[in-house]
Amino acid sequence: KAGVTQTPRYLIKTRGQQVTLSCSPISGHRSVSWYQQTPGQGLQFLFEYFSETQRNKGNFPGRFSGRQFSNSRSEMNVSTLELGDSALYLCASSLSVDQPQHFGDGTRLSIL
Amino acid sequence: AQSVTQLGSHVSVSEGALVLLRCNYSSSVPPYLFWYVQYPNQGLQLLLKYTTGATLVKGINGFEAEFKKSETSFHLTKPSAHMSDAAEYFCAVSENTGNQFYFGTGTSLTVIP
Repeated sequence: KAGVTQTPRYLIKTRGQQVTLSCSPISGHRSVSWYQQTPGQGLQFLFEYFSETQRNKGNFPGRFSGRQFSNSRSEMNVSTLELGDSALYLCASSLSVDQPQHFGDGTRLSIL
Repeated sequence: AQSVTQLGSHVSVSEGALVLLRCNYSSSVPPYLFWYVQYPNQGLQLLLKYTTGATLVKGINGFEAEFKKSETSFHLTKPSAHMSDAAEYFCAVSENTGNQFYFGTGTSLTVIP
């Protein structure tokens, strides 16, 4: 069974640009969550989607947005990039809250 | 809101020594509890989980954890540390009343040869 796939693995952007990250969950998993991981802040929850609906949202500015498609694949978009957006962005999928989340290897975003 | 506390952001042990990583949570309802490990430039891998049943849970790589409701704790242990155990460890909690997972801030484990 294929795991969670995130693309691209590495991305370099400049300030002011926008970026879209992609996540393909494990087949059958309808819940997809996104996290930002930085050395200083640890793992920060961005948002969670289930059946194309955003169910939960973390404390991030509106520049961070996401969506989920009917096949459960999800995208995350960050507009007007700032230096502080440099981080590892992790996607996780799960069947339900009593089942573990399965993580992709992340997208390493660097802002110059 | 749920909170997860991992005591000690950095833990060092000698190879062959006991590993103990602490996790406490706040929850007014029965939680679901997980431990994950992260190696550099990789995502998080599930070590073990507690949902219901036996409170002592065994996971991969010789790790185990015990759910203690009275102490709201879910500490991770391994009898004998191996060099390959050096990594970042995260405790996570979810609840049946919500649809969100809550993660601790992580503990970096160093194994000294």
